[in-house]
Amino acid sequence: AQKITQTQPGMFVQEKEAVTLDCTYDTSDPSYGLFWYKQPSSGEMIFLIYQGSYDQQNATEGRYSLNFQKARKSANLVISASQLGDSAMYFCAMREGQGGGADGLTFGKGTHLIIQP
Amino acid sequence: KAGVTQTPRYLIKTRGQQVTLSCSPISGHRSVSWYQQTPGQGLQFLFEYFSETQRNKGNFPGRFSGRQFSNSRSEMNVSTLELGDSALYLCASSPGPGTYEQYFGPGTRLTVT
Repeated sequence: AQKITQTQPGMFVQEKEAVTLDCTYDTSDPSYGLFWYKQPSSGEMIFLIYQGSYDQQNATEGRYSLNFQKARKSANLVISASQLGDSAMYFCAMREGQGGGADGLTFGKGTHLIIQP
Repeated sequence: KAGVTQTPRYLIKTRGQQVTLSCSPISGHRSVSWYQQTPGQGLQFLFEYFSETQRNKGNFPGRFSGRQFSNSRSEMNVSTLELGDSALYLCASSPGPGTYEQYFGPGTRLTVT
């Protein structure tokens, strides 16, 4: 079974609208971290936001927020007031295990977001 | 603070050759992880190093190896290159094994012909 599922291969959104990118995860480990990364066409993976499994509040970083619903194993990324520069691939990722684990990040297939003027 | 650097950025090799990629982590970061990204398989974990020791390795053949130096810089090596090894190889650094966050470098794009 896939550990990270991103069900939206591609999305078109009008500039200045809010965007929600879906991510569901699967783990039996009580300790884990969830991440969102942005990958522009240049290829670099840009860290956006992090949510720990024990965090009580949803993480926020500027225009990015993570809608963490633990019981549903959901970690959706919300981008408020989208901009043309937000056009990129977006990856949801998880790292399992206490203290960061040792198995690296498991990534979803990604969502290709295109912001239209 | 400088980010993660990777060299070279682009590389073209021939089947059967070997290749070495280099990664310098963020200053103060002691863990380095490597990932392979291909259109077919997506992003896959290769291995992670901390204090010059490999902590774990992903599901890759023995042709893929790595090492970490005392200054935390890391290299990965792929021997006997195959066409399927063409990929973007990304390096990520983190403060240490007790932390979750990872910061990526720009990647090395390897093309095997």
